[in-house]
Amino acid sequence: EPEVTQTPSHQVTQMGQEVILRCVPISNHLYFYWYRQILGQKVEFLVSFYNNEISEKSEIFDDQFSVERPDGSNFTLKIRSTKLEDSAMYFCASSELRGTGELFFGEGSRLTVL
Amino acid sequence: KNQVEQSPQSLIILEGKNCTLQCNYTVSPFSNLRWYKQDTGRGPVSLTIMTFSENTKSNGRYTATLDADTKQSSLHITASQLSDSASYICVVSGDGNNRLAFGKGNQVVVIP
Repeated sequence: EPEVTQTPSHQVTQMGQEVILRCVPISNHLYFYWYRQILGQKVEFLVSFYNNEISEKSEIFDDQFSVERPDGSNFTLKIRSTKLEDSAMYFCASSELRGTGELFFGEGSRLTVL
Repeated sequence: KNQVEQSPQSLIILEGKNCTLQCNYTVSPFSNLRWYKQDTGRGPVSLTIMTFSENTKSNGRYTATLDADTKQSSLHITASQLSDSASYICVVSGDGNNRLAFGKGNQVVVIP
């Protein structure tokens, strides 16, 4: 069964360092997303991406965040200068359709900022 | 503000028993409502997706209901198994897959 894969599964970094989280969405999907979940809290939307550009972003997705689809398969989330409060599980997701299309999540990348 | 509230926050049930989880939402406009299962430390996995016109949808031992008039949904787990121990998240879409509104989840623990 096709799945969304994410790397790394866990990254520990020092405050102020740049972090890149990588995702390989399901191959025939057109819509890509990043979500985050701080420990014990609800999943929060960060950004959606379609046709090689951001289609929507939340208030959390400030200038420190960026997304890129550098090739035909990878979808990355970059945090330029990490803060302690960026510590969370980051989930990549993809869907075939924008509307009622089922959203497939990856297993997540746990980011710990020290 | 679009909100999704779930209850109970957590519950413990005996293996083999049934349970029902509740979700109330204030999202408007409404596109669809989803239930996800999230095992600890894993990504959410879709159980059901219901649009405005659907009242009930089943996926194996999971049955979701939707009352779009009262903006309520429930997820019923029949004959629970140990592997059902997880967080069950109610997610409401007002605009496709963009800006989904997530609930905090119902934490279910099934004990033998």
